[in-house]
Amino acid sequence: SAVISQKPSRDICQRGTSLTIQCQVDSQVTMMFWYRQQPGQSLTLIATANQGSEATYESGFVIDKFPISRPNLTFSTLTVSNMSPEDSSIYLCSVLVGLQPQHFGDGTRLSIL
Amino acid sequence: QKEVEQNSGPLSVPEGAIASLNCTYSDRVSQSFFWYRQYSGKSPELIMSIYSNGDKEDGRFTAQLNKASQYVSLLIRDSQPSDSATYLCAVLTGGNNRLAFGKGNQVVVIP
Repeated sequence: SAVISQKPSRDICQRGTSLTIQCQVDSQVTMMFWYRQQPGQSLTLIATANQGSEATYESGFVIDKFPISRPNLTFSTLTVSNMSPEDSSIYLCSVLVGLQPQHFGDGTRLSIL
Repeated sequence: QKEVEQNSGPLSVPEGAIASLNCTYSDRVSQSFFWYRQYSGKSPELIMSIYSNGDKEDGRFTAQLNKASQYVSLLIRDSQPSDSATYLCAVLTGGNNRLAFGKGNQVVVIP
């Protein structure tokens, strides 16, 4: 299966700042997704990262807050903008390779002070 | 109604016993169902996928699917302390390979 590298693994940020999270895969993948897991909660899909076009956002998530790029078939970034303590979460990249089920990177643990 | 529901609270089972986890889903046209295991501080790891009605066995894990009842379950036989984790039910829903997750069930295997 594809190896997913997510950076940074964790960060502590000041409110009002922005952080960009990177997701790198060692092979071309069909689809890439970004999820959020708030403390004690399950995973919520933020958006599907589309190669060469704008991401598809789920209800409740907007591009201004969570801009996403996917310049090629192996790389994507998620930016968490103008952060507040409510953005403290684990952010996870997942990939879909062919017909295989999605699997996840190690996640980015983000704390906002 | 939530897309995927896992209503049971934390489950404590003695080592060697069977742990049983249940999940219901709302989208009648869903065709793909998954169980992920998540250890504390780690990302989810796929342990089972099931696409057809009936049982699917993989080692000590058995997934059961009943599409008519919109019900998925996971059995863990001969539970081991290493099985202590949160188990997430996920359903592929919508037309864009979107996974909807349940809130998860914490399993604690007591030696």
